[in-house]
Amino acid sequence: QSALTQPASVSGSPGQSITISCTGTSSDVGGYYHVSWYQQHPGKAPKLMIYDVSNRPSGVSNRLSGSKSGNTASLTISGLQAEDEADYYCSSYTSSSTWVFGGGTKLTVL
Amino acid sequence: QVQVVESGGGVVQPGRSLRLSCAASGFTFSSYSMHWVRQAPGKGLEWVAVISNDGSNKYYADSVKGRFTVSRDNSKNTLYLQMNSLRAEDTAVYYCAREVRFGELDFWGQGTLVTVSS
Repeated sequence: QSALTQPASVSGSPGQSITISCTGTSSDVGGYYHVSWYQQHPGKAPKLMIYDVSNRPSGVSNRLSGSKSGNTASLTISGLQAEDEADYYCSSYTSSSTWVFGGGTKLTVL
Repeated sequence: QVQVVESGGGVVQPGRSLRLSCAASGFTFSSYSMHWVRQAPGKGLEWVAVISNDGSNKYYADSVKGRFTVSRDNSKNTLYLQMNSLRAEDTAVYYCAREVRFGELDFWGQGTLVTVSS
């Protein structure tokens, strides 16, 4: 159950777009569409932003989108806003009937 | 409104045990699978365990298998995590979360801090 691989940090200016990658294996990301993304602000609980690779829960901005190709999932945030600054985590179901998170990516809005 | 509230955290010596609770309200607890997720200080999220809505299926991360046990009491709308043989590396904030659909953790508590230290 190794953690999924995410870049430690990404940054962008307001209005720009950024993409966060999440790389796993064929036993997790590559094998299932149950990939989710969570946003976490400092001192707060995580918040679900994307589920099943590309679906947004009600109330989540349409500036966020998700995709997957092979063993890598991606989260794209367009039109960056100051409020987007947070930590982002991907999560995937695994062939062991367990779940695994990525190491997390700190998004900085310059 | 939907709410989950963890409790039971504290400071415990290595090798000892602790039981966490997660009280649910605002939804039909017995209809949902529930997860435990932890976060060591300054670190990322780590999935710990999941239990099905009726308690018949349970799965654990390798790091806690054989030491932690997840359970639930649907009559009390409460989720539990029994943690035995605690180690320093189990120090973390422990969150419980509702699984609204497969893999979608839509409501999380604010967490309870467990510190394993002598």
